[in-house]
Amino acid sequence: QVQLEESGGGVVQPGGSLRLTCAASGFTFSQYGMHWVRQAPGKGPEWVAVIWFDGSNQYYSDSVKGRFTISRDKSKSEVYLQMNSLRVDDTAMYYCARLAHLTIDYWGRGTQVTVSS
Amino acid sequence: EIVMTQSPATLSVSPGERVTLSCKASQSVRTNVAWHQQRPGQAPRLLIYAASTRVTGIPARFSGNGSGTEFTLTVTSLQSDDFAVYYCQEYSSWPPLFTFGPGTKVDVK
Repeated sequence: QVQLEESGGGVVQPGGSLRLTCAASGFTFSQYGMHWVRQAPGKGPEWVAVIWFDGSNQYYSDSVKGRFTISRDKSKSEVYLQMNSLRVDDTAMYYCARLAHLTIDYWGRGTQVTVSS
Repeated sequence: EIVMTQSPATLSVSPGERVTLSCKASQSVRTNVAWHQQRPGQAPRLLIYAASTRVTGIPARFSGNGSGTEFTLTVTSLQSDDFAVYYCQEYSSWPPLFTFGPGTKVDVK
């Protein structure tokens, strides 16, 4: 079955960087686009970024554009989110998710990112 | 930018009851709407896409309807597992934005 496992979260100071990793299994990774979606405590989900199945295109929300970069490694079935210039309002649970049916179908369990001094 | 709104914010119901949740888009999204369920402490899961297509394995008591700017999610005969927060989400925008609504919490009366 489809499994998405995030890692790399933690506590970081404002202005710092983190790299999240999502390990995918149970499906043909090279055939699917992948998302990152975040959820701040007590709030609804907020879409962050998507990368096409072949890595040819990436799109970002305005709130992270220029600071975050999504990428993927077909050989490892992994997708990454490089987060730079982190701010307090980036604090959230970060979910990796699969792009299917033009939307988000499977979600991982998430990794917590806390930005605090 | 498309804004998704949901009502009510909270719905208190008894097990076995039928509930209808509302979602409205600030401009037409055709039928490019999905519904996600999030149980406490869990990741969301997709229930419905294309406004009315149920994901394989989702019980038939869940149904979606609507097009354009107004959408509904109906749950007939609410079960204990169904007490959760429900989010609608559009995927009509280009460049993509995948905007979520603020959610409707369904809790036990």
